[in-house]
Amino acid sequence: DIQMTQSPASLSASLGETVSIECLASEDIYSNLAWYQQKPGKSPQLLIYYASSLQDGVPSRFSGSESGTQYSLEINSLQPEDEGDYFCQQSYKFPYTFGAGTKLELK
Amino acid sequence: EVKLQQSGDELVRPGASVKISCKASGYTFTSYSMHWVKQRPGQGLEWIGAIIPIIDTTEYNQKFKGKATLTADKSSNTANMELSRLTSEDSAVYYCAITTTGYFDYWGQGVMVTVSS
Repeated sequence: DIQMTQSPASLSASLGETVSIECLASEDIYSNLAWYQQKPGKSPQLLIYYASSLQDGVPSRFSGSESGTQYSLEINSLQPEDEGDYFCQQSYKFPYTFGAGTKLELK
Repeated sequence: EVKLQQSGDELVRPGASVKISCKASGYTFTSYSMHWVKQRPGQGLEWIGAIIPIIDTTEYNQKFKGKATLTADKSSNTANMELSRLTSEDSAVYYCAITTTGYFDYWGQGVMVTVSS
């Protein structure tokens, strides 16, 4: 199975700051990566797909990038509604696998 | 509007089975595969498997083979997942989701399964 190593596990930042979350794939997944946001008690929501494509309706302050097998989610100008858990997921090969998640809190 | 409406929360005894449903609306049910994802309390997400309704083909995560059985009823636009021989390790929220873009872009609201005597 492809392992997705996500970091950091938790993150605390202030309103207006820029933060970055990373996911390292254990093998090449050829950009087949998505990022999801999950709020407490809610289903995950797709933010970014194919590493850097913004899902419809997602604010442009979210962006994705890649470098080799390392994938990043950047959130610019943090807003209160950005608090939550973030997960990466590879869809290159079955079984699909997720990162362990990053909990983002606003100071 | 695409909607995936899942059945209600379940409390089940250890060793028993449970069947969870996911009723799809707002799109052609046979157009997309239906996936199932497990999330234990405070933990990450695990992909259980998927079913392609139009041809009734399934793909399972090896970890869940023998534990989960996926079916689809085209007449009612409903996907089902049966979990068998339940233990405390199966206590979790279970989501259905479809991939119209190749990624999980629509999710059900989740079903909490609690295994307890």
